Amino acid sequence: EDKVVQSPLSLVVHEGDTVTLNCSYEVTNFRSLLWYKQEKKAPTFLFMLTSSGIEKKSGRLSSILDKKELSSILNITATQTGDSAIYLCAVVLGGAAQKLVFGQGTRLTINP
Amino acid sequence: GAGVSQSPRYKVAKRGQDVALRCDPISGHVSLFWYQQALGQGPEFLTYFQNEAQLDKSGLPSDRFFAERPEGSVSTLKIQRTQQEDSAVYLCASSLGYGGGRDIQYFGAGTRLSVL
Repeated sequence: EDKVVQSPLSLVVHEGDTVTLNCSYEVTNFRSLLWYKQEKKAPTFLFMLTSSGIEKKSGRLSSILDKKELSSILNITATQTGDSAIYLCAVVLGGAAQKLVFGQGTRLTINP
Repeated sequence: GAGVSQSPRYKVAKRGQDVALRCDPISGHVSLFWYQQALGQGPEFLTYFQNEAQLDKSGLPSDRFFAERPEGSVSTLKIQRTQQEDSAVYLCASSLGYGGGRDIQYFGAGTRLSVL
């Protein structure tokens, strides 16, 4: 069974801290990995990672995939209250559907 | 359109009632997906369309769930004889399809279904 596990499930930090969110996967047909940020509306796309291992960066956020360890991390530096959200990791499966298998999400709370 | 649009945003149904949830994908997106998200969980795959063809419906939990996309654009997810366990947020996503960055799925805000 295809499985994606995120840790921690919940994290509370102070504004300005740096956080690292983890995602590990065990799937039969890996194609790529996506990170999303979910607030009270639509999950919004953050990064797409492939087996190339190239790090992706956008402002204070960065992410990389370790294909040997079958895992990915999402780093957020100098956190702000607006970073409070659920962060979802999803693996894109190969095959006709390219469907996503999601982890449970990490609920991140940034306190002022 | 600018993004994926879903309606209604909220739906309250009495147990046994039929409901229909609508998804309007990003214009030109070939692939359309439906997911079900229970409280505190990640979304789970329900079904996938490539244009008007439903190529994968392996995630539909029972034969009470039915989806269609007759003209390859707007899609409707129908749930017949709703049960309390159907209460969840139903998310629709679309993508350009066919590999690489075209795999990125863009999500709508979802329909929150509550079955009483």
